[in-house]
Amino acid sequence: QKEVEQNSGPLSVPEGAIASLNCTYSDRGSQSFFWYRQYSGKSPELIMSIYSNGDKEDGRFTAQLNKASQYVSLLIRDSQPSDSATYLCAVTRSNTGKLIFGQGTTLQVKP
Amino acid sequence: DAGVTQSPTHLIKTRGQQVTLRCSPKSGHDTVSWYQQALGQGPQFIFQYYEEEERQRGNFPDRFSGHQFPNYSSELNVNALLLGDSALYLCASSLVAGIGAGDTQYFGPGTRLTVL
Repeated sequence: QKEVEQNSGPLSVPEGAIASLNCTYSDRGSQSFFWYRQYSGKSPELIMSIYSNGDKEDGRFTAQLNKASQYVSLLIRDSQPSDSATYLCAVTRSNTGKLIFGQGTTLQVKP
Repeated sequence: DAGVTQSPTHLIKTRGQQVTLRCSPKSGHDTVSWYQQALGQGPQFIFQYYEEEERQRGNFPDRFSGHQFPNYSSELNVNALLLGDSALYLCASSLVAGIGAGDTQYFGPGTRLTVL
């Protein structure tokens, strides 16, 4: 079992739709959760961090965390073609320094 | 506010050679982590440096070594290069400050290493 699992996709949504990206993790000691966006040939860019159960909203992005189910998700509202990228989920035990990444989900937003 | 910088951008080496990659952290950050990202995969943690010492290490052989300097910049050294070492090498910086802010790592642009 992988420590952090994501569906590799591609996930294809029409422009203006809601994109839903999911991630599960195996370590119940994980305390910090991150979503990074990575355009092809570029480095990961931090989108959201979440530490407590529930929802956290930032603009068009909403991160959701459920520690009991070991599940974290990212919703992108009003998806734009510029959102087309690979989205990486990362988890860590607090202050261990080691981010554990999933393999990423490729999102395609079609005009 | 300068972000994380890495050099060089691209590098081509042959098997058996040695390589050194460099990273300067984001202004105000004191911790540097290194990751290897193979094509189509998520980044894999190599090690982290704080206060000029290796704080934690991932599952990488001793051929991978590092260093952190007093100005917080860091180097990643890889000896006896293998074809499988071809990857994007990412440096990330953070501030060791406890839960929350201390965990957030910001990535540099990466160094693309090709081993022939």
